[in-house]
Parts: sequence; structure tokens; C-alpha cells
Amino acid sequence: DAGVIQSPRHEVTEMGQEVTLRCKPISGHNSLFWYRQTMMRGLELLIYFNNNVPIDDSGMPEDRFSAKMPNASFSTLKIQPSEPRDSAVYFCASSFTRASTEAFFGQGTRLTVV
Amino acid sequence: KNEVEQSPQNLTAQEGEFITINCSYSVGISALHWLQQHPGGGIVSLFMLSSGKKKHGRLIATINIQEKHSSLHITASHPRDSAVYICAVRLGEETSGSRLTFGEGTQLTVNP
Repeated sequence: DAGVIQSPRHEVTEMGQEVTLRCKPISGHNSLFWYRQTMMRGLELLIYFNNNVPIDDSGMPEDRFSAKMPNASFSTLKIQPSEPRDSAVYFCASSFTRASTEAFFGQGTRLTVV
Repeated sequence: KNEVEQSPQNLTAQEGEFITINCSYSVGISALHWLQQHPGGGIVSLFMLSSGKKKHGRLIATINIQEKHSSLHITASHPRDSAVYICAVRLGEETSGSRLTFGEGTQLTVNP
């Protein structure tokens, strides 16, 4: 398995534009997590899905952020409209549903909003 | 107070030294992860443990559930061990798809 695959690796966009980040979890994993990492706040959970259903989206900063998981092999995180303070590295991770399993991270998407 | 606290925040060592990074948490957990993040940014899972001790090469992780404390040890440290080491705990029940809560990370620099 190629691991968790995120795209794009880097994204530079202008303020106000829509940004879509993509994630393909490891095949067979039931849980998918979106995290954001910034210098100021470290790693933060934005949302996680279990069996394609959003379980906890309390970390989503505001209505400009939305996430979907239309099937077990694909998820998107969308920011509309984007703002400079959204600049961060966004990680996707997946794991089996059982809590006592490892979480596997994608390489991350470095987003810069100018 | 953070649910997960790591110490130290920064650690500089000479090649060959024995290194210990600590993680304390304040709530009940089902598992604890040690992650490594290299300067390039990628995150790698080093260990997942819920009790006892695990060893992989020069890395050893221990956890004491009663004391809510875990340690990551690196023996015979090497400059390539330089990275940020992150402790993360999995809250919630064993069978739920529960989320990870992260410590702030420990920046380790090993000098040759």
C-alpha cells in the first residue's frame, strides 16, 4: 500500500479563493482524520470520520471550512473563502476504527494564502 | 492545562548520548502514540502502546497507565535522530474511532 496520499503537496492561493485539499486513506482503514499544523498552535484536529460519517467536527475553525468523505477511499477538505490565517500544513491520517491501532499520516499539504 | 504535556520542549544532545523525552496526560486514554516529524515535515508513527514497553532498534517507549506517563528513550543518539517528537493520546473507548490529542512536541537536536 502506498500509504495515505494527499494532494496537492503545496498550494499557494490568493485570499478569497476556494481551496480543496484531497486525501486518499489506506485501503481498509475505517477512520480518517484531518489535522492542521501551525507554528503557533501545533497540531490540531479539525474533523474525523468513522466509516465515512463525520464524528467530531468541533475543531473546524468556522463555516469557511468544510469536509466530506463521499466514500471509503476519498476525502476532501475545502476552505471557501480562504484567508491568510489559514496558511498552515494540513495533514490527513487514517487508522482502523479500533482505538488501539496506529495512525498513519499523509505527507501533508502546505497551504499558503497570500 | 493541556491534556497532553511533553518535556522538555527543546533538547540538545551530543552524538552517542542517551535521550529521554517525557509525556504526561491528564485523562483516561485507550492508547498513546509517539510520532516523529522530520524537518521536511512528514510525520511518522514510531510507537503505539497501551501498556508496558516497546522497543524498535535504538528507540524504546514505555507507558505507566496508573501514573498517566510515558517516556521515549533513544539510545546511542545520532544526528539523524534530530527531529520533533510528538506524543499523542487517543481518547475515548477502545472500539470507537476516537481522535488523537497532541502534545506540543519536543525539538531534539543531536550534534555530531
